[in-house]
Amino acid sequence: EPEVTQTPSHQVTQMGQEVILRCVPISNHLYFYWYRQILGQKVEFLVSFYNNEISEKSEIFDDQFSVERPDGSNFTLKIRSTKLEDSAMYFCASSEAGGSGYNEQFFGPGTRLTVL
Amino acid sequence: AQSVAQPEDQVNVAEGNPLTVKCTYSVSGNPYLFWYVQYPNRGLQFLLKYITGDNLVKGSYGFEAEFNKSQTSFHLKKPSALVSDSALYFCAVRAGKGSTLGRLYFGRGTQLTVWP
Repeated sequence: EPEVTQTPSHQVTQMGQEVILRCVPISNHLYFYWYRQILGQKVEFLVSFYNNEISEKSEIFDDQFSVERPDGSNFTLKIRSTKLEDSAMYFCASSEAGGSGYNEQFFGPGTRLTVL
Repeated sequence: AQSVAQPEDQVNVAEGNPLTVKCTYSVSGNPYLFWYVQYPNRGLQFLLKYITGDNLVKGSYGFEAEFNKSQTSFHLKKPSALVSDSALYFCAVRAGKGSTLGRLYFGRGTQLTVWP
């Protein structure tokens, strides 16, 4: 069964450093998402992406964050200057063509980001 | 504003007994409702969804959920619990109208423990 993959599984970085989290969505999916979960809190939406542009972003997704689909398979989340409060589990998700909200999203296993 | 509440942080049930994991929601317009399960060190796995139609929806691994519009609830149920059902369960909602590409709002999660 196809699945979303994410690398690395755990990333440790120093405050102020840039990090790039990588995701490979399911191959025939066209809609991509990033969510995050701070320890003990809810899973929160960050951004959705379709047709090489951001479709929606939350208030969390400020200028420190960016997303990119650099090739036909990868989808990346970049944090330019990490802060302590960016420490969280970051989940990538994708959904099928059609764009309607009733297509379920398939999630990757997550990248745990620890900012020291 | 869209939101989801899972009133129980933990649910404990004996193997073979029925289980219920509760979820209530608040959304503009008609809701699209989802249940996901998370096993340790794994991503969120889709279980089932309600979009329209029959209020009782069936999903993976013998789970089902009942949509109740008047109570704005979408409780997850299973007639006979298994020890292997022990995991973290998330309810999520997306507004069915006026939204773009499927931003999900998650509850805090309910830890289900099934004891032998």
